[in-house]
Amino acid sequence: KAGVTQTPRYLIKTRGQQVTLSCSPISGHRSVSWYQQTPGQGLQFLFEYFSETQRNKGNFPGRFSGRQFSNSRSEMNVSTLELGDSALYLCASSQQGQVQETQYFGPGTRLLVL
Amino acid sequence: AQTVTQSQPEMSVQEAETVTLSCTYDTSESDYYLFWYKQPPSRQMILVIRQEAYKQQNATENRFSVNFQKAAKSFSLKISDSQLGDAAMYFCAYRVTGTASKLTFGTGTRLQVTL
Repeated sequence: KAGVTQTPRYLIKTRGQQVTLSCSPISGHRSVSWYQQTPGQGLQFLFEYFSETQRNKGNFPGRFSGRQFSNSRSEMNVSTLELGDSALYLCASSQQGQVQETQYFGPGTRLLVL
Repeated sequence: AQTVTQSQPEMSVQEAETVTLSCTYDTSESDYYLFWYKQPPSRQMILVIRQEAYKQQNATENRFSVNFQKAAKSFSLKISDSQLGDAAMYFCAYRVTGTASKLTFGTGTRLQVTL
């Protein structure tokens, strides 16, 4: 099976712009979670989507949003970008998002905000 | 607050030697799973090993094993016969039933492997 894929891999934006990142889970996986990784804050959970519904949410401002499509692909959007949004954004998928399942991670999208 | 603490920002081990990475966690949940993930320079997070909290037996995966002390909320990773390819950031993490999809990570330990 193909692994989790993320596009684009690298992105440069300026403050105030918005950005959309895409994640395609492993075939058959219906749960997609997003994480932000920064040197200062480490790895932080953004949100999880399952069956096109947001099921869990981390402690991020409303500028961070997401959605999931019927084929389980997920997108996350960041509006009104700030310098502090520069980070590696990782998505992870699992079959049902249950606690006993392993989450498989994609290679990440590195976002630089200038 | 639920937290994961990795007190060793960096560790170094010689090739073929053994190294232990420390992790402690704090949760009031009774049903949870613990994980060690490896992040090499490529940034791809790779699962190394997992442990179910209800199991007393320590998990092992080839050269990787854990020492799980539930009462002490400790979950250390032992890497035996270290190889150059083991050099990476290692993150300890857990998931609880209530927010099953959310992994809570520690700050990571950078492991260097020397010849």
